[in-house]
Amino acid sequence: EPEVTQTPSHQVTQMGQEVILRCVPISNHLYFYWYRQILGQKVEFLVSFYNNEISEKSEIFDDQFSVERPDGSNFTLKIRSTKLEDSAMYFCASSERFLAGEGTDTQYFGPGTRLTVL
Amino acid sequence: KNQVEQSPQSLIILEGKNCTLQCNYTVSPFSNLRWYKQDTGRGPVSLTIMTFSENTKSNGRYTATLDADTKQSSLHITASQLSDSASYICVVSAYGQNFVFGPGTRLSVLP
Repeated sequence: EPEVTQTPSHQVTQMGQEVILRCVPISNHLYFYWYRQILGQKVEFLVSFYNNEISEKSEIFDDQFSVERPDGSNFTLKIRSTKLEDSAMYFCASSERFLAGEGTDTQYFGPGTRLTVL
Repeated sequence: KNQVEQSPQSLIILEGKNCTLQCNYTVSPFSNLRWYKQDTGRGPVSLTIMTFSENTKSNGRYTATLDADTKQSSLHITASQLSDSASYICVVSAYGQNFVFGPGTRLSVLP
């Protein structure tokens, strides 16, 4: 069964450093998402991406965040200057069709990257 | 403000027993409601998806109900198994907006 993969599984970085989290969505999916989950808290939406553009983003997704689809398979989340409060599990997800509005496609999540900022 | 609340926060049951988890939401205008299962340290896995016109949806031993009038949903788990131990998350989408996640109910199934 196709699945979303993420690398690395765990990333440790120093405050102020840049990190890039990588995701390989399911191959025929067109819509991609990033979420984060701070330890012990609920999952929070960051950004959705389609056709090489951001479709929607939350208040959390400020100027220090960016997303990119550098080639036909990878989808990346970059945090330019990490802060302690960026420590969280970051989940990538993908779907065949857009899930806002009336879309009821299944959204598939990756296993997550645990980011620890020291 | 769009919000999703879940109860109970945590639940412990014995293997083989049934249980029901609750979700209340204030998301508007409502589009669809999803239940996810999240194992510790893993990404959420979709269990059910319901639109406004659906009031029940089953997936094996999982049965979700939706009352769009009272803005409530429930997830019923039948004949629980040890592998059902996980967090169960209710997620609601409004038209033109992305998902609002609930805090989850942590279920522990004991032998």
